[in-house]
Amino acid sequence: DAGVIQSPRHEVTEMGQEVTLRCKPISGHNSLFWYRQTMMRGLELLIYFNNNVPIDDSGMPEDRFSAKMPNASFSTLKIQPSEPRDSAVYFCASSLAGALNQPQHFGDGTRLSIL
Amino acid sequence: AQKITQTQPGMFVQEKEAVTLDCTYDTSDPSYGLFWYKQPSSGEMIFLIYQGSYDQQNATEGRYSLNFQKARKSANLVISASQLGDSAMYFCAMRERGFQKLVFGTGTRLLVSP
Repeated sequence: DAGVIQSPRHEVTEMGQEVTLRCKPISGHNSLFWYRQTMMRGLELLIYFNNNVPIDDSGMPEDRFSAKMPNASFSTLKIQPSEPRDSAVYFCASSLAGALNQPQHFGDGTRLSIL
Repeated sequence: AQKITQTQPGMFVQEKEAVTLDCTYDTSDPSYGLFWYKQPSSGEMIFLIYQGSYDQQNATEGRYSLNFQKARKSANLVISASQLGDSAMYFCAMRERGFQKLVFGTGTRLLVSP
């Protein structure tokens, strides 16, 4: 079975440019999560969706970040305009909502570098 | 508030030996789940093992087992018969009932030597 698929794997862009990260969750999973990982702050939850609806976006750093989930099989995380401090690895994860024992399954991540 | 503490920034173990990675947690919710993830140098996050707060027995998955001590609020990961491929970062995480959010610890880097 296919896992969580993220694209691109790597992105290098200049400050001020728009960046769009994409995620396809595991089929049948109804919860989707976006995380950011940096050396300084570790793994941080940015936002998560249940049944395509954003539930908690309290981790989104600022208005430059936005996330959408137009359908059950696709989500995007957009940064506009990008800044060097946004450089990090961004992970998407999905799970079955409900029982505590359902793990989150992570994609391979997008390594983002803002110059 | 949920909190996960991993006090060992790095651990060393020789191949074929067992190693214990520490994790303590703090929560006021009696119903919660604890997860361990492995992150190799290639970067992906791999789910290893789960322990529920009401589980009577310690979880095991192959060479991985959890030493769950509820009264001490600890959920240490035990890796038996270490292999070179076990070298990676290991993260402990917790989720409370009613919340989808996972809270992660800062991780422990394990290095397995030949």
